[in-house]
Amino acid sequence: AQSVTQPDIHITVSEGASLELRCNYSYGATPYLFWYVQSPGQGLQLLLKYFSGDTLVQGIKGFEAEFKRSQSSFNLRKPSVHWSDAAEYFCAVGTGGATNKLIFGTGTLLAVQP
Amino acid sequence: DAGVIQSPRHEVTEMGQEVTLRCKPISGHDYLFWYRQTMMRGLELLIYFNNNVPIDDSGMPEDRFSAKMPNASFSTLKIQPSEPRDSAVYFCASSPTGELFFGEGSRLTVL
Repeated sequence: AQSVTQPDIHITVSEGASLELRCNYSYGATPYLFWYVQSPGQGLQLLLKYFSGDTLVQGIKGFEAEFKRSQSSFNLRKPSVHWSDAAEYFCAVGTGGATNKLIFGTGTLLAVQP
Repeated sequence: DAGVIQSPRHEVTEMGQEVTLRCKPISGHDYLFWYRQTMMRGLELLIYFNNNVPIDDSGMPEDRFSAKMPNASFSTLKIQPSEPRDSAVYFCASSPTGELFFGEGSRLTVL
């Protein structure tokens, strides 16, 4: 069965520090991978997506993610975190007959210290 | 573009009452999804539609839940009768293909 694992439930980083959020997936075929961000009381906003091609993808707000097939991973990175990045981050894999059907991880809550 | 519009944003009701959540997808998007978010279970896909036709409702928890999409611009998720364990945030999302665009959610509290 398809699944997504985000091993870190909660992460705290200092403003200006680098960030890496981990995501591992389980899927038999080539996955379609996504990172979404959710601010409190809001819906989910797409940060970036990977369908094929270059394994390093750039997203909005200075985020990037790298697809590593050998490790079944799609980790999210940002070189310098801003206080406004504090939010919950969800990794998702597209599965099923339509790539639109997404299975989400449990999320990682990011706190940013001044 | 107005985005995905959900109503109501907040709903407080008593156990046993009927609850109807509404969603207007982005115009031109062929797919519509209903998700439920709770602390315990995270984001769960309840049902999704393609061109107004339900494709997969395997995530609908019980017969108390039903969803309809009478036309391309409107969908409802109904819970009848509601129970306290239905308390959650319900998200609607629409998609042309490849990525989902989410509404801001409907927070349901069943007392």
